[in-house]
Amino acid sequence: GENVEQHPSTLSVQEGDSAVIKCTYSDSASNYFPWYKQELGKGPQLIIDIRSNVGEKKDQRIAVTLNKTAKHFSLHITETQPEDSAVYFCAARVNQGGKLIFGQGTELSVKP
Amino acid sequence: DTAVSQTPKYLVTQMGNDKSIKCEQNLGHDTMYWYKQDSKKFLKIMFSYNNKELIINETVPNRFSPKSPDKAHLNLHINSLELGDSAVYFCASSHGRDEQYFGPGTRLTVT
Repeated sequence: GENVEQHPSTLSVQEGDSAVIKCTYSDSASNYFPWYKQELGKGPQLIIDIRSNVGEKKDQRIAVTLNKTAKHFSLHITETQPEDSAVYFCAARVNQGGKLIFGQGTELSVKP
Repeated sequence: DTAVSQTPKYLVTQMGNDKSIKCEQNLGHDTMYWYKQDSKKFLKIMFSYNNKELIINETVPNRFSPKSPDKAHLNLHINSLELGDSAVYFCASSHGRDEQYFGPGTRLTVT
């Protein structure tokens, strides 16, 4: 069935370092890959997304890369700041009604 | 100015009770969703409505019944609550299959 695997489950970095989170998906028909940031006690917030016709997308300190052949995509955060600390989720959209399949989440901790 | 709002934010109730969670969006979107986030933070879709029509219905017990009175509202009614229903429930909305925007969540605790 449809599945998204996300690694690592926890990630601790020093302020100013880079953080990378990786996801793989199983449905080759998936064509849209959003990333969400969830802070404690809040709902997931869309931070960046990428569509299958693009290999890379960047927005300030955040970038996402997509390798359709290998069916994996990654989130890169540069110059991390303490306020980047949160749980990050990747997701893949499958054909059925625009359903999003989420990864298991990565708890990112940025130490000052 | 809240884009997707949910009420209540917290809900504590006993097993066997019936409860409802309400969701409203003011983004003009035509598609709304209910997600369940378990204690391990795993997010899973439950239902999706497009223009008040049910389009996604995952393997969810019949005790859960969504209702969409109009495009801006999607409510979730849960009958005969069980301990395993304890979770955070998120509403989301989108324009068609575009980006989904989530509400702040409703933390349901069944005792």
